[in-house]
Amino acid sequence: DVKVTQSSRYLVKRTGEKVFLECVQDMDHENMFWYRQDPGLGLRLIYFSYDVKMKEKGDIPEGYSVSREKKERFSLILESASTNQTSMYLCASSSGQQDTGELFFGEGSRLTVL
Amino acid sequence: GQNIDQPTEMTATEGAIVQINCTYQTSGFNGLFWYQQHAGEAPTFLSYNVLDGLEEKGRFSSFLSRSKGYSYLLLKELQMKDSASYLCAVLEGNYQLIWGAGTKLIIKP
Repeated sequence: DVKVTQSSRYLVKRTGEKVFLECVQDMDHENMFWYRQDPGLGLRLIYFSYDVKMKEKGDIPEGYSVSREKKERFSLILESASTNQTSMYLCASSSGQQDTGELFFGEGSRLTVL
Repeated sequence: GQNIDQPTEMTATEGAIVQINCTYQTSGFNGLFWYQQHAGEAPTFLSYNVLDGLEEKGRFSSFLSRSKGYSYLLLKELQMKDSASYLCAVLEGNYQLIWGAGTKLIIKP
């Protein structure tokens, strides 16, 4: 069964803390994505990566950075967490070879910044 | 600009049929996706349309009209487990998906 695993389901952090969100996929997918999901808004793309060590900014990259040192792992980093980064963070992956570009999502990481 | 519109919430009765509409205005179009998301869970893929017409997959069907910038998801023989949010998304380029805010579907007995 295909799987995208996010390291933490729930996190509570304080303003100014550094936050790491890890995502691992076991499908040998080329593409990996980080989204945030907020009530009343569509999923918004933070960053994506189409290959190891490659990254592209999405719609809302400010305040975030990413790392992809291995094909299966894509990390999202909040250098200095702020309250407006309280959100649900979703990692996804897709194969560059698939016709549909179907995304496979992780269970999500709900981050609360106090 | 880019815009995906879908109703915020819909209510339907178990056993009935419901149609969830999605209209879009995007600078590019490489296909339209529907995803299902149960509360507290990850979105899961339902359908993909890139050509005009109806795609049927069991109780779920998805329709696309590119000239009208319009799609719908049709759910038949509704079951309580279909209570979820349904997300419409347009693939603008190779990677960039533009997402609607989602339609929360409530199924009543």
